[in-house]
Amino acid sequence: DGGITQSPKYLFRKEGQNVTLSCEQNLNHDAMYWYRQDPGQGLRLIYYSQIVNDFQKGDIAEGYSVSREKKESFPLTVTSAQKNPTAFYLCASSIPASNPYEQYFGPGTRLTVT
Amino acid sequence: RKEVEQDPGPFNVPEGATVAFNCTYSNSASQSFFWYRQDCRKEPKLLMSVYSSGNEDGRFTAQLNRASQYISLLIRDSKLSDSATYLCVVNNQQKLVFGQGTRLTINP
Repeated sequence: DGGITQSPKYLFRKEGQNVTLSCEQNLNHDAMYWYRQDPGQGLRLIYYSQIVNDFQKGDIAEGYSVSREKKESFPLTVTSAQKNPTAFYLCASSIPASNPYEQYFGPGTRLTVT
Repeated sequence: RKEVEQDPGPFNVPEGATVAFNCTYSNSASQSFFWYRQDCRKEPKLLMSVYSSGNEDGRFTAQLNRASQYISLLIRDSKLSDSATYLCVVNNQQKLVFGQGTRLTINP
């Protein structure tokens, strides 16, 4: 089955620790995205990558870092510099310039930092 | 002004009712438009794309008015299983911009 996997589903960390969220896809999509969702809010773009070894900041990149060493993988690190890290994190992938354009989402990781 | 604005609701309607969601967007250069559905504590899933000519998928009808920068979603004969949050989404150069979502609860 093709799809996007994110692990773990729930993650708990102490304040001041960096944490890395996993995102893997086997859809052969070039583009991958990380979003953050807070309660009662829409999704906000953190980082995106249109191709391997290249990525760009989204709207709320501060306190986050990413890498894209393989087409299938786009891990997100939430650093201790992120002031409010507790949120629902969603990874997505797409075929750039596809028509109709669609992003496919993973099941998400719910991060709680105390 | 938010780039994509939706009525946050919540909407509580009886089963069988017709419900309409509205959405406005600020970027006139936006290229494509969507409604996503998100169940509680789950990822968003594409419900339907929205075209200027209007499009229908069973009980769901979506409409786009580019001149007014307005998008709508109509759900007819609502079912209990339609209870979810509906997200209005706009594609700006392959970056999706999400509205905050409208929460819908269908009551038996």
